[in-house]
Amino acid sequence: NAGVTQTPKFQVLKTGQSMTLQCAQDMNHEYMSWYRQDPGMGLRLIHYSVGAGITDQGEVPNGYNVSRSTTEDFPLRLLSAAPSQTSVYFCASRPGGGRVNEQFFGPGTRLTVL
Amino acid sequence: QKEVEQDPGPLSVPEGAIVSLNCTYSNSAFQYFMWYRQYSRKGPELLMYTYSSGNKEDGRFTAQVDKSSKYISLFIRDSQPSDSATYLCAMKETSYDKVIFGPGTSLSVIP
Repeated sequence: NAGVTQTPKFQVLKTGQSMTLQCAQDMNHEYMSWYRQDPGMGLRLIHYSVGAGITDQGEVPNGYNVSRSTTEDFPLRLLSAAPSQTSVYFCASRPGGGRVNEQFFGPGTRLTVL
Repeated sequence: QKEVEQDPGPLSVPEGAIVSLNCTYSNSAFQYFMWYRQYSRKGPELLMYTYSSGNKEDGRFTAQVDKSSKYISLFIRDSQPSDSATYLCAMKETSYDKVIFGPGTSLSVIP
């Protein structure tokens, strides 16, 4: 199993550009989430999904879109990048139910917006 | 007030010391309490979790939950340089899907 994979590892964007951060998992997990991590702020939930076709907003959803057409993939789209979106982005997945002990994180994408 | 508070450190201890990491929270509905370890430039990995109150021990690590005080702790005995990392507490309600993280405490164990 590859677990949770994220691409790209690094990205530099100019203000106003758009891009998609990819996330995939091969564990057949129902739940997938996107977090951003900033110094002193910890991990903040952007969007999450409880299954294919179902998504919901987290703490900091503005400026980001998600979709979940398959169980495996959960891409995060930045529609018009802003310097405030400079951060490290983590994707995570876990099985359904209360199995919080089985949440796995990807290696992260480091995004810089100039 | 943030839902989950955690002293960011940095915390520096000598090898072999006992380390105490703590979080406080405001939401009394939290039932799942987790500790993640994050090495530099890596994703977080789950270290321990507890459901509701009580203690849980795993090797050199002990997690404690005091729901009456809304306070959780992670103790590391006989700390090793390999324990140097950022430790994040996280919490979740039973019937709510979101996991809320604390900001993390940076720990350095000096040989």
